[in-house]
Amino acid sequence: GQQVMQIPQYQHVQEGEDFTTYCNSSTTLSNIQWYKQRPGGHPVFLIQLVKSGEVKKQKRLTFQFGEAKKNSSLHITATQTTDVGTYFCAVEGDTDKLIFGTGTRLQVFP
Amino acid sequence: ETGVTQSPTHLIKTRGQQVTLRCSSQSGHNTVSWYQQALGQGPQFIFQYYREEENGRGNFPPRFSGLQFPNYSSELNVNALELDDSALYLCASSLVGQGDTQYFGPGTRLTVL
Repeated sequence: GQQVMQIPQYQHVQEGEDFTTYCNSSTTLSNIQWYKQRPGGHPVFLIQLVKSGEVKKQKRLTFQFGEAKKNSSLHITATQTTDVGTYFCAVEGDTDKLIFGTGTRLQVFP
Repeated sequence: ETGVTQSPTHLIKTRGQQVTLRCSSQSGHNTVSWYQQALGQGPQFIFQYYREEENGRGNFPPRFSGLQFPNYSSELNVNALELDDSALYLCASSLVGQGDTQYFGPGTRLTVL
């Protein structure tokens, strides 16, 4: 079945440093979604990207969809302790249901 | 908050028992999806219900079953529990025709001993 890989698996940063997580698929995607899950919490929808090369920003978060629609990235500028959590990308599977990536766990040290 | 609620919050069962988890979807949403999230992993799709019928199923055995009611709330039933069924069970509601954006509930933490 379709698999979605994310790298890195873990990232520890000092508060104020930048952070990027990458999501890669072997197949062309119709769209991609990003979710954030705080420790002990549930996934919370962040954004959906649809167009090739699309770039969207939410305050310090920048989301990008690759030109070939096979990869995506999430970049956080000047991380804060509130950014701690696991970031998942999610794509539509064969049955149009969401397939989640492996996730990147972000730890921010003050 | 998404408006999606789940009960119970935590549950402890023993191997071989049966469990029922419940989910109330966000107002106006007609689709409920269930996911299993093992510790340290991403959510894995179990199945989805749309207008009271199963609308897609992931790679889970038949002992995982579900229901959706006319008010769009849903149940997940797991029979013959195994130790590997220990996980966070998430339900997510969505509205057909509004993309696949899913709004997750807080989850039920199931521990099988």
